[in-house]
Amino acid sequence: AAGVIQSPRHLIKEKRETATLKCYPIPRHDTVYWYQQGPGQDPQFLISFYEKMQSDKGSIPDRFSAQQFSDYHSELNMSSLELGDSALYFCASSTRNTEAFFGQGTRLTVV
Amino acid sequence: KQEVTQIPAALSVPEGENLVLNCSFTDSAIYNLQWFRQDPGKGLTSLLLIQSSQREQTSGRLNASLDKSSGRSTLYIAASQPGDSATYLCAVSGWVAGTALIFGKGTTLSVSS
Repeated sequence: AAGVIQSPRHLIKEKRETATLKCYPIPRHDTVYWYQQGPGQDPQFLISFYEKMQSDKGSIPDRFSAQQFSDYHSELNMSSLELGDSALYFCASSTRNTEAFFGQGTRLTVV
Repeated sequence: KQEVTQIPAALSVPEGENLVLNCSFTDSAIYNLQWFRQDPGKGLTSLLLIQSSQREQTSGRLNASLDKSSGRSTLYIAASQPGDSATYLCAVSGWVAGTALIFGKGTTLSVSS
């Protein structure tokens, strides 16, 4: 069965650089979520989209932005990267009555 | 604002024991509750989903219950095995489509052989 695909799996960037993370949800899932997870932390909600419209917003820095495209894939754009942005970034997708499925994550390291 | 709490934060048991993980939430107006498992450095694996109208769900050695009125859910693991060692997280969703899944901080389980 198709799962949530995230790319890249690993990313190393320098401070003040820009990064783009991509997420391909499970087909026919109408909701996409983005989460950030630091070492030893629980997942922190960043932003979500329902039917390609932003539906909820969490603790997402102003330096970050996200969008969902017509083919339902989503991208998280991160600018002016800081050391503290180093974390695992997860994307998840779901429909209203199904489980949320998470991708394997993108490990971002800012040096 | 919805808050999710998981107790205990960590648990160590010998192989073969039955155990219960607890999850509580402050706002009972949830749409559903989901239990996840996470291995270190890995993604979250969905274990069980309980809709707000349901009382429990079972999958193999796992049984999750939901008492929405008291804001509680439990995950029961029967006959624990070393392979069950992981962090278990619960998350609740609200009634508005597309709103965040709110996670607890998880219970880290260690099962020794």
